[in-house]
Amino acid sequence: DTEVTQTPKHLVMGMTNKKSLKCEQHMGHRAMYWYKQKAKKPPELMFVYSYEKLSINESVPSRFSPECPNSSLLNLHLHALQPEDSALYLCASSQEASAGGDTQYFGPGTRLTVL
Amino acid sequence: ILNVEQSPQSLHVQEGDSTNFTCSFPSSNFYALHWYRWETAKSPEALFVMTLNGDEKKKGRISATLNTKEGYSYLYIKGSQPEDSATYLCASRSGYSTLTFGKGTMLLVSP
Repeated sequence: DTEVTQTPKHLVMGMTNKKSLKCEQHMGHRAMYWYKQKAKKPPELMFVYSYEKLSINESVPSRFSPECPNSSLLNLHLHALQPEDSALYLCASSQEASAGGDTQYFGPGTRLTVL
Repeated sequence: ILNVEQSPQSLHVQEGDSTNFTCSFPSSNFYALHWYRWETAKSPEALFVMTLNGDEKKKGRISATLNTKEGYSYLYIKGSQPEDSATYLCASRSGYSTLTFGKGTMLLVSP
């Protein structure tokens, strides 16, 4: 099973709302990632978790708060977002974070719209 | 080259045509080059991971080559089919840094 699942598929939220994105994998991978993709731009890395610990935060604003409750789950908590945060949020996983030759397996993404 | 660049941005071919795309990446401290195929509303699907200069990988009608000294990779599709229509993304990894993606090449294959 090489599937990474993400919920919800679509999310519309107001600037005062609190919501969460969820990601799950059952491949035994120890690295999990959040990416953000705006239209016509490449996916940009937000966070990397390695062995359930945050290892990379690419200077992401604090209104995005990642959480890794266990090795299979990755959440992204959203609070007080801005309309410019509207984007496709992709989750990915790989065997290890430090092995550059490891394939990253992606979920289908959550399309987020902030009103 | 500081970023990962892909060309062309988009491509429209007829069924049965063979086609190729280019990915240019920083050649210094090169570690790995990844190719993904991404259909609309689906997950990006990993095609190849290449690490060695001169690497050639093949998966069905799709193949890829790697030149790490000059910093480029080619993706070839032989006898394109409508189901090959997708965006093809490449991503480069240097040293222990994270993946840097290109903007992708959008391929449309008409019957």
